[in-house]
Amino acid sequence: DVKVTQSSRYLVKRTGEKVFLECVQDMDHENMFWYRQDPGLGLRLIYFSYDVKMKEKGDIPEGYSVSREKKERFSLILESASTNQTSMYLCASDRRGSYGYTFGSGTRLTVV
Amino acid sequence: QKEVEQNSGPLSVPEGAIASLNCTYSDRGSQSFFWYRQYSGKSPELIMFIYSNGDKEDGRFTAQLNKASQYVSLLIRDSQPSDSATYLCAVKKRRDQFYFGTGTSLTVIP
Repeated sequence: DVKVTQSSRYLVKRTGEKVFLECVQDMDHENMFWYRQDPGLGLRLIYFSYDVKMKEKGDIPEGYSVSREKKERFSLILESASTNQTSMYLCASDRRGSYGYTFGSGTRLTVV
Repeated sequence: QKEVEQNSGPLSVPEGAIASLNCTYSDRGSQSFFWYRQYSGKSPELIMFIYSNGDKEDGRFTAQLNKASQYVSLLIRDSQPSDSATYLCAVKKRRDQFYFGTGTSLTVIP
């Protein structure tokens, strides 16, 4: 009954590496979102997309990019990983009009 | 000013008691409000949402909204140890974006 799938539960990457985080949803949702969650800071929006090939910056897009080539898949890219990008990354999807996100299980990324 | 503010807690209540979780928001034009529960090491899951002033009940959970005071609350009746989690308040903004509070940690003591 898994609806939003994130490709990795844990990742360890080196500083300067290019990192890809994948998210796939099977609910035919139009909206998809990438957040990071840090203690004391809560959930912060990185990027979001309302449709295929569309993307918009959230509150903290610096150092990240995204790709949405298919409706069900939304990828987050860390162009050159840095230690301050160590975090829990959460993907979410929602249908247009928004009835509440469905979150993926999260990817805990550590950059060393 | 933060979009959504919550008391981080921790809030401790005995089993069977009522837990009251509170949230304030800054944008008076906000329309929709959501409560999520997040267990340690897990992702948030939607509990309920509320659009209109007043109370909305769903089982042991009641959401309360007061738009004039820009205040949202979640009451959990007959609290159980399994309710121990962090509770996130979220406000829907333009174009289906959500802003989240930092969460209130709840512990229900058996």
